[in-house]
Amino acid sequence: EVQLLESGGGLVQPGGSLRLSCAASGFTFSSFAMSWVRQAPGKGLEWVSAITASGGSAFYADSVKGRFTISRDNPKNTLSLQMNSLRDDDTAVYFCAKGLYSSSYYYYIQHWGQGTLVTASS
Amino acid sequence: DIQMTQSPSSLSASEGDRVSITCRASQGISNFLAWYQQKPGKAPKLLISGASTLQSGVPSRFSGGGSGTDFTLTITSLQPEDVATYYCQQYNSGPPTFGQGTKVEIK
Repeated sequence: EVQLLESGGGLVQPGGSLRLSCAASGFTFSSFAMSWVRQAPGKGLEWVSAITASGGSAFYADSVKGRFTISRDNPKNTLSLQMNSLRDDDTAVYFCAKGLYSSSYYYYIQHWGQGTLVTASS
Repeated sequence: DIQMTQSPSSLSASEGDRVSITCRASQGISNFLAWYQQKPGKAPKLLISGASTLQSGVPSRFSGGGSGTDFTLTITSLQPEDVATYYCQQYNSGPPTFGQGTKVEIK
């Protein structure tokens, strides 16, 4: 059974940093691209970032480009999102999502984590 | 980026009613369209991929159709457990984009 467990969310002041992690199990982690999708309180879903299976390529939404960095540790089955220069509008639940293929970063999402809440507020 | 527009943004219907939600893409996406159901405090659940392929375990009262720019999610007989927000998502090209959501309630 595919399991994705996010951690690392919390309260941070605007301008601060936070690192999210996603522990994956139940599948061959190194064979699949992975993504982060977020949802601001009471709002819709927004794709944030994705990384290919090898970690060789990363993709970002314009809203986070230059501030967020996605990475993965395949031997440890872990996906990460380093978030710097956080803004009020980054406040959201961040979901980890499993890809369908190794290299495509746009796909439908069969498997989601439960999400972790990031609150950027003073 | 491809814009996805859903309508209506919310609807209220009686148990047993037929309900339809529309999703329009700003450019053609063939059939690379997925539908999700999200209940409060939960992660989205994939209902349909490829515009019309029902995922395993999803009740047959859900169906999807369309191709190109116009798509529809239909619930043939609305049940209390269908109360949720529904999202469409295109995966024809990057970045993947979602509709703004349709909140479905029971009268």
